[in-house]
Amino acid sequence: ETGVTQTPRHLVMGMTNKKSLKCEQHLGHNAMYWYKQSAKKPLELMFVYNFKEQTENNSVPSRFSPECPNSSHLFLHLHTLQPEDSALYLCASSQLSGGYNEQFFGPGTRLTVL
Amino acid sequence: SQQGEEDPQALSIQEGENATMNCSYKTSINNLQWYRQNSGRGLVHLILIRSNEREKHSGRLRVTLDTSKKSSSLLITASRAADTASYFCASDTGANSKLTFGKGITLSVRP
Repeated sequence: ETGVTQTPRHLVMGMTNKKSLKCEQHLGHNAMYWYKQSAKKPLELMFVYNFKEQTENNSVPSRFSPECPNSSHLFLHLHTLQPEDSALYLCASSQLSGGYNEQFFGPGTRLTVL
Repeated sequence: SQQGEEDPQALSIQEGENATMNCSYKTSINNLQWYRQNSGRGLVHLILIRSNEREKHSGRLRVTLDTSKKSSSLLITASRAADTASYFCASDTGANSKLTFGKGITLSVRP
């Protein structure tokens, strides 16, 4: 266990559904991240939160909406997704101090959009 | 090509052999990290090498960094079937909170 949990582990949704992914870190870190991992492609950074403030939005479509209510929790709200959004969504956290950004990842949510 | 690009893309070796994986990056870095991912799981941090370091060891892992060539290598000695996984390098410029990952190397260790 890395100290980062994600729920659900698997999610199947239709294109008209609304769902949310949840991430929680138990490490006392001050930064949290959402990544998208698709087959044969590099890991894509979607959003970064530093001390609960969003510091990065990597040109992600508005059908993905992040929320960070506190430094331990991170959500990704999904609505009107497309089949090409099917992927493994990974959450990570890190302690941004001392110049070294070692990230701890959750197990991921396998999302399938029908 | 991508920042943090690994080669080969796939590697298959016999248990007991050494596995060498390479990574190249484009811009100046503060540090370079290697991660491992078992199928369908999250990434696990393996080792970090700072820009002023040339070599680092951790158990059966040996990482080298050549900043003049903007490249790094990960050596796994005496490989085991349990080492079968995907391995990613990630470059950290230190300027912001971002890591840039490559596409990864799929390592298969045959028993």
